[in-house]
Amino acid sequence: DIQMTQSPSTLSASVGDRVTITCRASLSISTFLSWYQQKSGKAPKLLIYATSSLQSGVPSRFSGSGSGTHFTLTITSLQPEDFATYYCQQTYSAPDTFGQGTNLEIK
Amino acid sequence: EVQLVQSGAEVKKPGESLRISCMTSGYTFTDYWITWVRQMPGKGLEWMGRIDPSDSYTNYGPSFEGHVTISVDKSIGTAYLQWNSLRASDTAMFFCARLFEVRQYGMDVWGQGTTVIVSS
Repeated sequence: DIQMTQSPSTLSASVGDRVTITCRASLSISTFLSWYQQKSGKAPKLLIYATSSLQSGVPSRFSGSGSGTHFTLTITSLQPEDFATYYCQQTYSAPDTFGQGTNLEIK
Repeated sequence: EVQLVQSGAEVKKPGESLRISCMTSGYTFTDYWITWVRQMPGKGLEWMGRIDPSDSYTNYGPSFEGHVTISVDKSIGTAYLQWNSLRASDTAMFFCARLFEVRQYGMDVWGQGTTVIVSS
């Protein structure tokens, strides 16, 4: 299985900040990477697929980049509704493994 | 409107069997894969497996293969996740989600989740 490692596990930030979450794959996954946002007790929400394609309806302050084994999710100008847990997922090869999650909390 | 509506919470005993469902509407059922994802209490997301409703081709994650069965009923646009013998460690929230195409896309619509509690 491909292992996905996110960093940091927890990130404290303030409204208006720019934040970056990193995701590393244990082997090259080209650009087959998605990002999800999950709020407590709710279903995850797709933010980005294929590394940098913004899902319909997702605000443009979310962006993704990377290739191979190193990927990032960037949120510019954090909004109150952005405080949540974020997961990366590789879709290169089944099982489509997730990272362990990054909890974005209010500073 | 595209919807995936999951069956309600379940409380079962170890060794019992269970089937939970994911009822879809608002799109052509056979155009999208259905994936199941587990979330144990306080933990992250785990990919369990997926099924192509057009031909019932399935992939399973190694931690789940042999313990769960994913199936569909095309006639009613519903996917299922089934256990023949539950364990206490199956206690979790389970989500279904649709996927347009393997590899290139993410899971764009999710069910609301089904809580399963397994306890003696």
